Amino acid sequence: DGGITQSPKYLFRKEGQNVTLSCEQNLNHDAMYWYRQDPGQGLRLIYYSQIVNDFQKGDIAEGYSVSREKKESFPLTVTSAQKNPTAFYLCASSPIDTANTGELFFGEGSRLTVL
Amino acid sequence: LAKTTQPISMDSYEGQEVNITCSHNNIATNDYITWYQQFPSQGPRFIIQGYKTKVTNEVASLFIPADRKSSTLSLPRVSLSDTAVYYCLVGDGYYGQNFVFGPGTRLSVLP
Repeated sequence: DGGITQSPKYLFRKEGQNVTLSCEQNLNHDAMYWYRQDPGQGLRLIYYSQIVNDFQKGDIAEGYSVSREKKESFPLTVTSAQKNPTAFYLCASSPIDTANTGELFFGEGSRLTVL
Repeated sequence: LAKTTQPISMDSYEGQEVNITCSHNNIATNDYITWYQQFPSQGPRFIIQGYKTKVTNEVASLFIPADRKSSTLSLPRVSLSDTAVYYCLVGDGYYGQNFVFGPGTRLSVLP
């Protein structure tokens, strides 16, 4: 089945550690996105990428890093510089021809908890 | 950026029609209006999308007035499984970096 796979679903981290969240899609979509969701809040954009080897900061990029070495993969690293990393992280993708209309395809999310 | 405003929560009963309105006063010419549904601990799911007038699919209808400053998602005959958060998203047309999700509307369907 085509879709977006995020892993791990749950992750625990000690303060000061970097962690990497995986996002893989087999939809052949060009654009990929990372959002953060806090309890009772909407989604906030962290990073997005339109093509391989290119990505742009979203509204809350500080303390995060990404790479886009392959079209199907867009991993997100939560660094120790992120002051409040406990949240639900969502990866999304969209085909380039509808990327400007807002039709995003989301993964099931990764819940990160800092101990 | 096209900011959206929705009611924070709504209650309904099974079998009723539910209408959720979203305000987007500064929507731009190229913006589309998209609605998503999200269940707890899951990713949002696309429901419907439109640009103007009315759009209908197998799960919902979307009404957009001529000035496009608001839109209304209509869910016919809701069931308990429609209990979720509904987001209105307005995109400005440049690859998603300006897609702003508001806090959404928490719909509770009661038996």
